[in-house]
Amino acid sequence: QQQVKQSPQSLIVQKGGISIINCAYENTAFDYFPWYQQFPGKGPALLIAIRPDVSEKKEGRFTISFNKSAKQFSLHIMDSQPGDSATYFCAASKKENDYKLSFGAGTTVTVRA
Amino acid sequence: ETGVTQSPTHLIKTRGQQVTLRCSSQSGHNTVSWYQQALGQGPQFIFQYYREEENGRGNFPPRFSGLQFPNYSSELNVNALELDDSALYLCASSLDGRYYGYTFGSGTRLTVV
Repeated sequence: QQQVKQSPQSLIVQKGGISIINCAYENTAFDYFPWYQQFPGKGPALLIAIRPDVSEKKEGRFTISFNKSAKQFSLHIMDSQPGDSATYFCAASKKENDYKLSFGAGTTVTVRA
Repeated sequence: ETGVTQSPTHLIKTRGQQVTLRCSSQSGHNTVSWYQQALGQGPQFIFQYYREEENGRGNFPPRFSGLQFPNYSSELNVNALELDDSALYLCASSLDGRYYGYTFGSGTRLTVV
């Protein structure tokens, strides 16, 4: 049972464009929402994370938007670069199970030069 | 030494065999989690160890077992391998059994034939 639903499965964006990835969850006990970036042959690396008391968090070109009432959150990659081409996973975790991660299915982003 | 190290990087086993995968946690991290990532999917939580005790398990059968050693390194053992066990196995470590920012290794690619 997928606790976090992620879309789209893949997307292609031109260099300099904006990539948007969406995730939705059901369990309101989730209180930590990280995004991971994974390159081929590598493990996931933490990109940015947000807690539900904040509606938006920005780090460089990466922004998380969080809508607690809709139980949705999204990742925006501004000014996309070819080096951003990777698979992105949203995840959710909660204190009551020691913050074990429930991952979405992933979005493969391809940035065309 | 920093980072999470996993060995071996690749492995081919025959159905019915047993396999042991190894993980060295990031220095100072006392919690280790194991995840299974099937091709094109997000990682799925297998189990977690905190100071040598299992403190959580995902939806995996008992033939998946693990150990954490006093130096916080860890093993994942899989008995009676099945073709569906073919996947990337990821180890992740964190500090104090709470979400402090999991650090993932690059994984072990297991192929069962």
